[in-house]
Amino acid sequence: DIQMTQSPSSLSASVGDRVTITCRASQSIGNYLNWYQQKPGKAPKLLIYDASSLQSGVPSRFSGSGSGPDFTLTISSLQPEDSASYYCQQSYSTPNTFGQGTKLEIK
Amino acid sequence: EVQLVQSGAEVRKPGDCLKISCKGSGYSFTTYWIGWVRQMPGKGLEWMGIIYPGDSDTRYSPSFQGQVTISADKSINTTYLQWSSLEASDTAMYYCARPRTAGTTSGIAYWGQGTLVTVSS
Repeated sequence: DIQMTQSPSSLSASVGDRVTITCRASQSIGNYLNWYQQKPGKAPKLLIYDASSLQSGVPSRFSGSGSGPDFTLTISSLQPEDSASYYCQQSYSTPNTFGQGTKLEIK
Repeated sequence: EVQLVQSGAEVRKPGDCLKISCKGSGYSFTTYWIGWVRQMPGKGLEWMGIIYPGDSDTRYSPSFQGQVTISADKSINTTYLQWSSLEASDTAMYYCARPRTAGTTSGIAYWGQGTLVTVSS
């Protein structure tokens, strides 16, 4: 199985900050990398697919980059509603493993 | 509009069997993979497995292989997740999930509302 490692596991930032979350795959996965946002009590929401493609309806302050084993999710200007957990997932091969998650708190 | 509607919350005892469901609508059920994701209380997302209803091709995570069975009935656009003998550690929220693109497993764009399974004696 491909292991996905996210960092940090948690972070706290202020409104307007630029926030970066990283995800590393245990092997090369091309650009088969997705990012999700999950708020408490809700199903996850797809933000980014294929490493850098913005899912329809997602604010443009979210962006993704990277390829091979290393990827980044960036929030360019943090908003209060971005308080959530964020997960990466590889879809290069099954099982399509998730990272362990990053909990983002607004200061 | 694509919708995935899951069956309701369940409370069972250890050793019980259980089958939960997820009904898809608003798209061609047989041409999209559909999978299951577990989330234990306060924990992260775990990919359990996925099925292609068109030919019933099924893939499991090694962590769940032999522990659960994923199936689909394409005549009623429904996929199932079942256990033959539940354990307390199966207590979790279970989501069904469909990728954004037909024929691939990439990018889960559609999620069911979740089914909470509680296993307690």
